Amino acid sequence: GAVVSQHPSWVICKSGTSVKIECRSLDFQATTMFWYRQFPKQSLMLMATSNEGSKATYEQGVEKDKFLINHASLTLSTLTVTSAHPEDSSFYICSAGRLAGKETQYFGPGTRLLVL
Amino acid sequence: DAKTTQPTSMDCAEGRAANLPCNHSTISGNEYVYWYRQIHSQGPQYIIHGLKNNETNEMASLIITEDRKSSTLILPHATLRDTAVYYCIVRVAGADYKLSFGAGTTVTVRA
Repeated sequence: GAVVSQHPSWVICKSGTSVKIECRSLDFQATTMFWYRQFPKQSLMLMATSNEGSKATYEQGVEKDKFLINHASLTLSTLTVTSAHPEDSSFYICSAGRLAGKETQYFGPGTRLLVL
Repeated sequence: DAKTTQPTSMDCAEGRAANLPCNHSTISGNEYVYWYRQIHSQGPQYIIHGLKNNETNEMASLIITEDRKSSTLILPHATLRDTAVYYCIVRVAGADYKLSFGAGTTVTVRA
């Protein structure tokens, strides 16, 4: 159990377009989901915390108008990168907090974004 | 959350036990030690966590010192598929709390 999926697994887009990434907890409900970004040879950096039915909480330095997060249900959160630019190219990873059992977070496989 | 210190890298031989150290001298009484690993180009994978007692599961064992200022993750029989970056994270328990990732230890298992 505790499977988290992401879609798409990779995406290439032109500069100026918007890209939506989905994160789903497949076999458990998650009131809280997290979005991370990872640049090559670096560690994961938390971007925002997404709570079902409420506004996301963004980490310092992350533009909330550029990275739109929606957490409409207990199993789905989406991250939309608006007006993407080459510097937004990165590996985006979500995680979902499982309340029952281990009470920890489980991560999706990640989405690799390349903006041309 | 308490800060952790891990070696940058380590090698181990396939089939042997891999012992990964982590220092967390400023850990608070309500903070747990979590271990995750990230295989190249994948999302992190939960391994194990503990408060003060030693823990074991199907993946690994976690040994926490009595003063809780350090811990060791043990992979009992390392395989090539265990090659990954291993992260030791200290934080309060609960699914709603964020994880702060440091640089981790790059573990390379060699045949």
